[in-house]
Amino acid sequence: QVQLVESGGGLVKPGGSLRLSCAASGFTFSDYYMKWIRQAPGLGLEWISYISNTGKTTYYADSVQGRFTISRDSAKNTLYLEMNSLRVEDTAVYYCVRGGQRATRYYFDYWGQGTLVTVSS
Amino acid sequence: EIVLTQSPATLSLSPGERATLSCRASQTISIYLAWYQQKPGQAPRLLIYDASNRATGIPARFSGSGSGTDFTLTINSLEPEDFAVYYCQQRSNWPPEYSFGQGTKLEIK
Repeated sequence: QVQLVESGGGLVKPGGSLRLSCAASGFTFSDYYMKWIRQAPGLGLEWISYISNTGKTTYYADSVQGRFTISRDSAKNTLYLEMNSLRVEDTAVYYCVRGGQRATRYYFDYWGQGTLVTVSS
Repeated sequence: EIVLTQSPATLSLSPGERATLSCRASQTISIYLAWYQQKPGQAPRLLIYDASNRATGIPARFSGSGSGTDFTLTINSLEPEDFAVYYCQQRSNWPPEYSFGQGTKLEIK
């Protein structure tokens, strides 16, 4: 069955860096677009990044543009999110999410369990 | 940017009753709207896509309707496990930005 398992979250100081990983299994990883979505404590859901199935196309929300980098390694079936210049407001649970096999599919059918990132001094 | 507005913010009902949740888009999005359920401490779960299609494994008591700017999620005969937060979601065409409504909390009365 489809599984997405995030790791790499933790406590980091403002201005620091962190790299999240998402190990995918149960489907052909290289066929699917992938996203990262986050949820600040007690708040709603915020899409932050998108990567195409080939890895050639990426998009970011304005809130993380220039600070976060999404990437993927199809040989390892793993999605990454490199986070730099972290701010207190980046504190959230970060979810790895599966999109579709085409760019036009907009909804997310599988979610990881999430990894908590806390930015605090 | 397309903004999704959900109402009500909180809905208090009893098991066995029908829940009607609303999601309004700031501009037309055809049928390209999805609904998710989130329980405390869990990741969201896809319920409905393309406004009215149930995702795999979703019970028939969940149904979606609407098109354009106004959408509805209906849950018939509420079960205890249905009390959760529900989000609607869409995507803008270009650039591909995804947005969620602020959520409706369905609580036990």
